[in-house]
Amino acid sequence: DAGVTQSPTHLIKTRGQQVTLRCSPKSGHDTVSWYQQALGQGPQFIFQYYEEEERQRGNFPDRFSGHQFPNYSSELNVNALLLGDSALYLCASSPIQGSTNTEAFFGQGTRLTVV
Amino acid sequence: SQQGEEDPQALSIQEGENATMNCSYKTSINNLQWYRQNSGRGLVHLILIRSNEREKHSGRLRVTLDTSKKSSSLLITASRAADTASYFCATDVGANSKLTFGKGITLSVRP
Repeated sequence: DAGVTQSPTHLIKTRGQQVTLRCSPKSGHDTVSWYQQALGQGPQFIFQYYEEEERQRGNFPDRFSGHQFPNYSSELNVNALLLGDSALYLCASSPIQGSTNTEAFFGQGTRLTVV
Repeated sequence: SQQGEEDPQALSIQEGENATMNCSYKTSINNLQWYRQNSGRGLVHLILIRSNEREKHSGRLRVTLDTSKKSSSLLITASRAADTASYFCATDVGANSKLTFGKGITLSVRP
């Protein structure tokens, strides 16, 4: 049973460019959340997708957008990259929406460096 | 904003000793989870404790939750060098709600 998979593992982009990160959730999970983790900090919630819609959003600008596909996989898009967007981006999946079981499982992350 | 605050920020112990890490939070929660992170990679889920539970065990891990004090502790017994990592507590306020993390604790276990 594959866990949460993310691609790519590392990425270097230039300021002003756009980037797309991808995530496949754990089998049986339909909810995907994205987190940004700056160096030396805990992860910060970006947004959550369920049934192909954004359900919750953290305190991130509109430059951060996402998408969820019918197979529950998800993409995180960041436009007009800033140096401050350099971070580890983590995807987490959790079981059926509405379940009392809120265990979230994380992928290995994508390390984004903006130069 | 970060809900959880782990304590201490860094901990260094000898292999075989026990490691105790604490987490405090500010608002009422539904669940509290502990995660481990090795060298800035992904988070590994360790244990979830619900707000109506007081203690939970998983192998060498023991987690306690005191909702009156809004705090939790993670005990790792008989530590190993492989336990060297950063540990985070994360809280949620309901099913499928976002997780709010603390800044983490860096644990070093010396061989």
